Amino acid sequence: ETGVTQSPTHLIKTRGQQVTLRCSSQSGHNTVSWYQQALGQGPQFIFQYYREEENGRGNFPPRFSGLQFPNYSSELNVNALELDDSALYLCASSLLGFSNEQFFGPGTRLTVL
Amino acid sequence: QQQVKQSPQSLIVQKGGISIINCAYENTAFDYFPWYQQFPGKGPALLIAIRPDVSEKKEGRFTISFNKSAKQFSLHIMDSQPGDSATYFCAASIMSTDKLIFGTGTRLQVFP
Repeated sequence: ETGVTQSPTHLIKTRGQQVTLRCSSQSGHNTVSWYQQALGQGPQFIFQYYREEENGRGNFPPRFSGLQFPNYSSELNVNALELDDSALYLCASSLLGFSNEQFFGPGTRLTVL
Repeated sequence: QQQVKQSPQSLIVQKGGISIINCAYENTAFDYFPWYQQFPGKGPALLIAIRPDVSEKKEGRFTISFNKSAKQFSLHIMDSQPGDSATYFCAASIMSTDKLIFGTGTRLQVFP
């Protein structure tokens, strides 16, 4: 059984660019949630995907979007990057409806210059 | 109503001592309260979790105490070790949603 993996590990972008982050969920899990963790803060819920559909969204603008694929892996896309988007982006996978345990990946550190 | 407030922001404990971190929530619909441990450069890892139908849950050196009427819960780390030095986050969610609301974190340092 493999854990949650994310790529890339680190990324540097400039303001106004677009970025795509990727997440492979843990084997057997059907749900992926994305979180943004600013330096020194707790993770903030961005959105969740369940069976390829968005299943709830936090207080983030539409330029944050996502996808979930049939194998339950997921992408987070951020358009028109702003300096404040610099953060650690975490994905977590879970088996919605069976267990509340969420397993986090190591995160992608995004720096926007 | 969605906030989870955590204290203290940082904690220094001597090896063998007890570390106590507190959290309070407002939304009475929350019914799942996990604690996560995060080391630098890593994602959060689930330590222990509790549901509001019990007042205490213990797993090894880690204990959650839960006070439903006060809407508070706490993590106790007994016999704290230098390897416990990390940032700890409390969180809350509604079980049917899996959407975690995190506290602001407590940086724990355990000195030998």
